[in-house]
Amino acid sequence: AQSVTQLDSQVPVFEEAPVELRCNYSSSVSVYLFWYVQYPNQGLQLLLKYLSGSTLVKGINGFEAEFNKSQTSFHLRKPSVHISDTAEYFCAVTRGDNYGQNFVFGPGTRLSVLP
Amino acid sequence: DTEVTQTPKHLVMGMTNKKSLKCEQHMGHRAMYWYKQKAKKPPELMFVYSYEKLSINESVPSRFSPECPNSSLLNLHLHALQPEDSALYLCASSRGQGATGELFFGEGSRLTVL
Repeated sequence: AQSVTQLDSQVPVFEEAPVELRCNYSSSVSVYLFWYVQYPNQGLQLLLKYLSGSTLVKGINGFEAEFNKSQTSFHLRKPSVHISDTAEYFCAVTRGDNYGQNFVFGPGTRLSVLP
Repeated sequence: DTEVTQTPKHLVMGMTNKKSLKCEQHMGHRAMYWYKQKAKKPPELMFVYSYEKLSINESVPSRFSPECPNSSLLNLHLHALQPEDSALYLCASSRGQGATGELFFGEGSRLTVL
């Protein structure tokens, strides 16, 4: 079975500063990896995903993430955050062998961007 | 704008009421999901329908009853709920349960049980 760890439950950062949200996973099979964002009182929206190929993945709203197989990590980064990036961020993993698609979500990281 | 539509956005019900949550998608997706999300927690999978057949039931109490009338619609029937069932209920869809790609989420139905 897969599992996901997001080490930071809350990350406060000042506007225009860079940010990194950490995600580590464990799995005995290959995986697909995702980052979702949830704004208050809304559903989850996909930021970016890694299925195969280049380990550096670019997503929406200026976010990017790097898949590191040896460190089993998929950290999310943004070079300069805005107030509007304040939200909950979830890392998720599924099996990479097309055997079902049960997403396993991490516990989430609350990003608070301060003026 | 989300392509998965959920109604109602908010629902308040008593413990003896019967109500339903509805979800609709027109992306041709063949897998649909119900998730439950409590405050400050990740979504928890409740049910999965694949090609209109229930494929996963994550040991959800029988007071929650899913229904998939066709490939575009997913309902969640609620009866005799408890206050601890108050949560955000999220519907999602994907191309297929075994397909790569992402889950598309609706904006959720906020349920309060009094």
